[in-house]
Amino acid sequence: AQSVTQPDIHITVSEGASLELRCNYSYGATPYLFWYVQSPGQGLQLLLKYFSGDTLVQGIKGFEAEFKRSQSSFNLRKPSVHWSDAAEYFCAVGRYNTDKLIFGTGTRLQVFP
Amino acid sequence: DTEVTQTPKHLVMGMTNKKSLKCEQHMGHRAMYWYKQKAKKPPELMFVYSYEKLSINESVPSRFSPECPNSSLLNLHLHALQPEDSALYLCASSPPGTNENIQYFGAGTRLSVL
Repeated sequence: AQSVTQPDIHITVSEGASLELRCNYSYGATPYLFWYVQSPGQGLQLLLKYFSGDTLVQGIKGFEAEFKRSQSSFNLRKPSVHWSDAAEYFCAVGRYNTDKLIFGTGTRLQVFP
Repeated sequence: DTEVTQTPKHLVMGMTNKKSLKCEQHMGHRAMYWYKQKAKKPPELMFVYSYEKLSINESVPSRFSPECPNSSLLNLHLHALQPEDSALYLCASSPPGTNENIQYFGAGTRLSVL
């Protein structure tokens, strides 16, 4: 069965510091991978996605993620965090021709000035 | 444009009330979804409509009744809810012509059941 693990429940960084949020998935074939961000009381915004091809994908707001098949990981990175990046981040995995996404439990990012 | 619009933004209802949540998208998307999200948890899928037909029902209690009147509109009818149904209800939609299941979300309706 598919599953997604986000090992870090809560991460705190200083503004301007680099960021890496971890995501590990379990799936037999090549998954479709997504990162979403959710500000308090808001919906989910798609940051980036990976389907195939180049394993380093660029997203919105200066985020990028790298697909590593050997590690079953899809970690999200940003070189310099802004205070407005404070939010909940969800990794999700889908598979071909289905309408279900499996979400991780989320990582809450706190940014200190 | 990836806008999914949900109304109302907030809703308070009693356990005997009947209310409806509304979701619209005008992007020609083929699938629309309802999710329930409790605080500090990921969204939980409730229903999926694909090409206006109910394709997935995740064993949701019958007090939640989805409806898809046309390809742009999705409703969730609520009746005799319980306080534990208080949550953020999210709508999402997926574009046609792809199998990768990209989902675009609305801002949600915050529901409180008293």
